Order: sequence, then structure tokens, then C-alpha cells
Amino acid sequence: EPEVTQTPSHQVTQMGQEVILRCVPISNHLYFYWYRQILGQKVEFLVSFYNNEISEKSEIFDDQFSVERPDGSNFTLKIRSTKLEDSAMYFCASSGGQNQPQHFGDGTRLSIL
Amino acid sequence: GDSVTQMEGPVTLSEEAFLTINCTYTATGYPSLFWYVQYPGEGLQLLLKATKADDKGSNKGFEATYRKETTSFHLEKGSVQVSDSAVYFCALSVRSSASKIIFGSGTRLSIRP
Repeated sequence: EPEVTQTPSHQVTQMGQEVILRCVPISNHLYFYWYRQILGQKVEFLVSFYNNEISEKSEIFDDQFSVERPDGSNFTLKIRSTKLEDSAMYFCASSGGQNQPQHFGDGTRLSIL
Repeated sequence: GDSVTQMEGPVTLSEEAFLTINCTYTATGYPSLFWYVQYPGEGLQLLLKATKADDKGSNKGFEATYRKETTSFHLEKGSVQVSDSAVYFCALSVRSSASKIIFGSGTRLSIRP
């Protein structure tokens, strides 16, 4: 069964540094999402992306965050200047249609020191 | 705003016990409802879904019925196994341009042999 893959599985970064989290969605999917889960808390929506632009973003997704689909297969989340509170598990998801189920990757654990 | 409330864990049961994890929701419009499961060290997997009132989602012996009158989507299983130990998330998605998923806080389930 096709799956969403995320790399790296664990990223350790110094505060203030830029970090890029990578995702390869399922190949024929058109809708892409990022979520995050701070340790012990609920999974929170960050941003959705369709047709090469952001469809919706949450208040968490401030100017430090950006997303990009640089080629036909990758979907990236960039944090420009990381803060301690950015430490979390970041999940990428994709779906084949607006109201189709979202398929999640295994996540990238981001640790900010 | 839209939200999901589920029973707090952890829930600890013996093998072959009956399981109920309560979930209620608040949403504008007519949401689709989901249960996602997160096994230790893994990502989020869709367990089951229901897209309209009175629909019953089922998978791997788990069931949940979309109850519009009580705004509930309780997860049930008649006889749990040790392999069901995981964190279970109730979630909703409202039809919109983004169709973001809103998650509950998760319920950790542990099954004793």
C-alpha cells in the first residue's frame, strides 16, 4: 500500500537555526498538510496546501514557517529561526481529494536545543 | 469553534474485555468523523470513519456510530487484544476548502495479557 514518507525521523537543531522537514506524499494525491504534536498534547493543524498554494493555515503557522513543493514529489516545511517551543513531532499528510481520508507519515521528531 | 472531546486516559483493560472510548464533538455544518490510532513509535493510522449521521464505521473489530442527536462517535470493541495497545484519537473534518482535521487529545489504551 502506498505511504507517506518523512525524513529525517529525528532532527536535533540549535535554537535560532533553520530547519527543513521533508515529506514525500502519496504519488497521485493533490492535497497536502502539516500537523504537529507537542509531547503529551493533541495533534494540531498547521497548514494545508493545494494547487501550489496555501489553502488554510492556523495561528501557529506564523512568518517563521513556510511550505514548498519544490518538485513533483516532495513537500517541505521550513522553520526559519527555530525556538525551543518548536520542539514537537511534525506529521505530514496527504489526500487524494478535498474530502478524502488523509494518510499520515510516521512523523519527524524535532528537538530544539 | 469546531472541537473534539474524548475521554481521558490512560485506560487499562484485561485481554478480551469490552472497550468503550467516548468521543463528542462540536462542529458547524456536517462533519466527517474519524478514529485514528497511533501505535508505539509509529505515525497516525486511520482506523475507521463515518461521513454522515447514523453511519457506522468499522475496522479490525472496532466500531463507531455517528450520532448526530448526541454529537457523539464513541469507539467500541467487543474483545480487546494486547496488540490493541496504542493511543486512539477521535477527530473531525468539516467540508471546506482545506478540510483540515481537528483532533481530540487522545486516549492511551493499555491491554494486560
